[in-house]
Amino acid sequence: DTEVTQTPKHLVMGMTNKKSLKCEQHMGHRAMYWYKQKAKKPPELMFVYSYEKLSINESVPSRFSPECPNSSLLNLHLHALQPEDSALYLCASSQGRGTGNTIYFGEGSWLTVV
Amino acid sequence: SQQGEEDPQALSIQEGENATMNCSYKTSINNLQWYRQNSGRGLVHLILIRSNEREKHSGRLRVTLDTSKKSSSLLITASRAADTASYFCATGGANSKLTFGKGITLSVRP
Repeated sequence: DTEVTQTPKHLVMGMTNKKSLKCEQHMGHRAMYWYKQKAKKPPELMFVYSYEKLSINESVPSRFSPECPNSSLLNLHLHALQPEDSALYLCASSQGRGTGNTIYFGEGSWLTVV
Repeated sequence: SQQGEEDPQALSIQEGENATMNCSYKTSINNLQWYRQNSGRGLVHLILIRSNEREKHSGRLRVTLDTSKKSSSLLITASRAADTASYFCATGGANSKLTFGKGITLSVRP
């Protein structure tokens, strides 16, 4: 069982819609992440937040907008997405930002853009 | 770009057999982690091995790391049908980014 909770589990949105993915953890972790995973591919890092500040943006298009309202919450705001953005979006957290920390993943949000 | 490259890409074994998966990487690392992903689910952390360690165990799992060959192996002993999943190695370097390999699909036949 994961201690990182993501909602919604499934989302279908049109290319003109605005929607948000939400992620919550109560493990006191100070680093939170968004990954994108296409079918049969590995997860690809999108954003890293450390102590509620954006520390890494992997050149993600501006139609994806992350937000970290507090140390337990991480949102991903979606606007004007393309069908190729359809994927599994994984939120994760770790004690600290360094890669020596175990990263805990949520179950993901399946996004379909129509 | 992916750092780790798992081998084989797919593995099918009988329940009770051992499964060995390999991961090779290109640049120096601080640590290497293995994750499991059941179909359509999130990733589950299995084991982390640091660059100054050679072997680690966790239950039925054994991970080795050979930094001179830039490779790691994951051994699952006495496999079970529930071990059927995709397995990813992920390397961590000085840039604080964890980079995942392409993954290995393991099928354990009952």
